[in-house]
Amino acid sequence: DIQMTQSPSSLSQSVGDRVIITCRTSESIDRSLNWYQHRPGKAPKLLILDASTLQGGVPSRFSGSGSGTDFTLTISGLQPEDFATYYCQQSYRTPFTFGPGTKVDVK
Amino acid sequence: QLELQESGPRLVKPSETLSLTCTVSGGFIKIDDHYWDWIRQSPGKELEWIGNIHYTGKTYYNPSLGSRVTMSVDTAKNQFSVKVTSVTAADTAIYYCARHPERKNWFDLWGQGIPVTVSS
Repeated sequence: DIQMTQSPSSLSQSVGDRVIITCRTSESIDRSLNWYQHRPGKAPKLLILDASTLQGGVPSRFSGSGSGTDFTLTISGLQPEDFATYYCQQSYRTPFTFGPGTKVDVK
Repeated sequence: QLELQESGPRLVKPSETLSLTCTVSGGFIKIDDHYWDWIRQSPGKELEWIGNIHYTGKTYYNPSLGSRVTMSVDTAKNQFSVKVTSVTAADTAIYYCARHPERKNWFDLWGQGIPVTVSS
């Protein structure tokens, strides 16, 4: 299976901050990397697909980049509704695997 | 707007079978270019993809669960289901149903999840 790591595991931020989350895979997956946001009690939400494509309806403050084994999710100007846990997921090969998550909470 | 909702017993005894259903509302499960997935997250662990099913009955399972998992679809009821046999405490998790576009392999719609505890 393709192993996923994320860093940091958590970070405390303030509204308006820029947040950068990193995801690394155990082998090259081209650009087959997706990002999700998960707020407690809510359904997880797809934010970014294929490393950098914004899912419809997702605010433009979210952006993704990377290819191969290293990827980043950037939130430019954190909003109150953005405090959540973020997961990366590889869609390169089954079984699909997820990163351990990065929890963004209020500083 | 399409929504997914998981349902089923929230407490299952060890060695028994866990059975969950996902109801698709606001749309149809009988769509050629989508698969319907199950994903779970055990306490303190990563999200784990369990497998998926197409409305035609075609399935893909994560080998990590071996032969313990089976999925089925009921197009008349707009539902799909998962069964996990011989459960142990390690199967305690929040179980999510989700949708993924064929050949895209991302999950563009999720249910809220249902917590299931395996305990006697």
